[in-house]
Amino acid sequence: GAVVSQHPSWVICKSGTSVKIECRSLDFQATTMFWYRQFPKQSLMLMATSNEGSKATYEQGVEKDKFLINHASLTLSTLTVTSAHPEDSSFYICSAVPEKGTEAFFGQGTRLTVV
Amino acid sequence: AQRVTQPEKLLSVFKGAPVELKCNYSYSGSPELFWYVQYSRQRLQLLLRHISRESIKGFTADLNKGETSFHLKKPFAQEEDSAMYYCASRRGYNKLIFGAGTRLAVHP
Repeated sequence: GAVVSQHPSWVICKSGTSVKIECRSLDFQATTMFWYRQFPKQSLMLMATSNEGSKATYEQGVEKDKFLINHASLTLSTLTVTSAHPEDSSFYICSAVPEKGTEAFFGQGTRLTVV
Repeated sequence: AQRVTQPEKLLSVFKGAPVELKCNYSYSGSPELFWYVQYSRQRLQLLLRHISRESIKGFTADLNKGETSFHLKKPFAQEEDSAMYYCASRRGYNKLIFGAGTRLAVHP
């Protein structure tokens, strides 16, 4: 099956710094990727839709200047959490849909801890 | 707004017992509904989708438009079914909206 890989799997950063999370589709191309955020024992909340070659589409209430998304190629989307604060600590998950498919494949997630 | 509701946070059953994980949706159009499963320390993966009308690992789910439900059922639970189950609906191009999730715990 299709594989989506996130890097890093976990990261600890200091308040005020920025951290970049990568999402790669390893064996397929994806024009669209999605970024979710999951708080402990809660569901996945869609943050934004990452579109290859164009600007990301953010869900209501998600700060686009805070969560920068870049979809530079058909196999890579990055999420940069800028000027991170402890409240940004969370589990971030990406998903990708193959170009001619309908099933979404999920990355393993990235646990961000801001201290 | 499109919403997916899973009323139970935890469902605890014994091995061999029937299982029903509840999911209700609110959507004005024709919904596309899915069940995703997340086993311990693994990534989220698709279990089944309503349009396929398939049975995966003994699980089935029927879309009931009258009750706006898409409950997940299995006649005889196994210990390996213990996991987190998410009901989801698709909005727009492949945007998935997830319910809160139900943890299924199957005891020996």
